[in-house]
Amino acid sequence: DGGITQSPKYLFRKEGQNVTLSCEQNLNHDAMYWYRQDPGQGLRLIYYSQIVNDFQKGDIAEGYSVSREKKESFPLTVTSAQKNPTAFYLCASRRPGTETGELFFGEGSRLTVL
Amino acid sequence: GNSVTQMEGPVTLSEEAFLTINCTYTATGYPSLFWYVQYPGEGLQLLLKATKADDKGSNKGFEATYRKETTSFHLEKGSVQVSDSAVYFCALRGAGGSNYKLTFGKGTLLTVNP
Repeated sequence: DGGITQSPKYLFRKEGQNVTLSCEQNLNHDAMYWYRQDPGQGLRLIYYSQIVNDFQKGDIAEGYSVSREKKESFPLTVTSAQKNPTAFYLCASRRPGTETGELFFGEGSRLTVL
Repeated sequence: GNSVTQMEGPVTLSEEAFLTINCTYTATGYPSLFWYVQYPGEGLQLLLKATKADDKGSNKGFEATYRKETTSFHLEKGSVQVSDSAVYFCALRGAGGSNYKLTFGKGTLLTVNP
């Protein structure tokens, strides 16, 4: 079955360490997105990519980095510069030709900084 | 900028009760509007959408009507079930050049008791 796979589902990190969250999709979608979810805050856009080898900052990109070397993969690195990284991270993709708001989401990765 | 305001939760209902979750928005022009649902421990799923004024989106017994005059997109269901327990997000895609991202409300937690 096609879908979006995020890993790991749970991750613990010590302060000062970088960590990379994986997002893989086999839907053949061009556009991919990373959102951060905090309790009572809704979702906020970190980065998005409309096509391979191109990506743009969202509303809260500071302390994060991404790459898009393959259509299927859009990993997110949470760097030590991110001041408050504990959150639930959601990856999404969009099918070509559809209304821009129709996103398919992965099941998320929960990052906890100890 | 664009913004979405949802009614604060949590909302607790008995099975077969009527549900309304209010959503209002601020945007220029004619945005597209969406409701997403997040079941416990999962990512978000698109529930319904409306792309122009007076459109009614519907799915799984849920409905919402795009009201330009009141800038609203309230979610309704006539008879809720225990399986409807989830967090519901109202979202907006702005008209024009900023159509790469969704702006989400903060989410409303719905609990349905048997």
